[in-house]
Amino acid sequence: AQKITQTQPGMFVQEKEAVTLDCTYDTSDQSYGLFWYKQPSSGEMIFLIYQGSYDEQNATEGRYSLNFQKARKSANLVISASQLGDSAMYFCATRDDKIIFGKGTRLHILP
Amino acid sequence: SQTIHQWPATLVQPVGSPLSLECTVEGTSNPNLYWYRQAAGRGLQLLFYSVGIGQISSEVPQNLSASRPQDRQFILSSKKLLLSDSGFYLCAWDTAKGLETQYFGPGTRLLVL
Repeated sequence: AQKITQTQPGMFVQEKEAVTLDCTYDTSDQSYGLFWYKQPSSGEMIFLIYQGSYDEQNATEGRYSLNFQKARKSANLVISASQLGDSAMYFCATRDDKIIFGKGTRLHILP
Repeated sequence: SQTIHQWPATLVQPVGSPLSLECTVEGTSNPNLYWYRQAAGRGLQLLFYSVGIGQISSEVPQNLSASRPQDRQFILSSKKLLLSDSGFYLCAWDTAKGLETQYFGPGTRLLVL
């Protein structure tokens, strides 16, 4: 069965610093996808970035990049030059047939 | 482009009352549709998913039910709400193509008193 682990329940980071949110996964499938979502206080789940298990290059989307280390089963999210608006809950997820979400990391950006 | 709508945005209901939450998707055909619940400060729990009209799979047995009367409409219902039904309900869709991203609606906050 799939499993996602996010070991950081909360993080405090100074504005403009880079942030790394940890995520490890467990799946027996060879083909799978990895996702990160952002959930601000409004509650909406905003899709940030996707990495396929066969993608050789790490995915990037603007200030977001996914540090994919397949051998370690790790899919950390890196946010460069953090902004106050990055304060939110962040969920890592994986899917083969269904999406499984981690418990999330609450990120606080300090001015 | 595709959009997903949910209503109502907020709902306060007494225990024992019925519930109907609606979700509609625009701009796509034959989507997979999902209902999730999120308790305060917690992760997402998949409640139901549907791969087509009239096809509903339940992930967690409880007093909730789901229906899909039209291709792009997904309804979450209850005949009698419990206090434990309080939470944030999210509808999501994706394409039936495999390892695709799910996209979420704005959610409904339900408070059962």
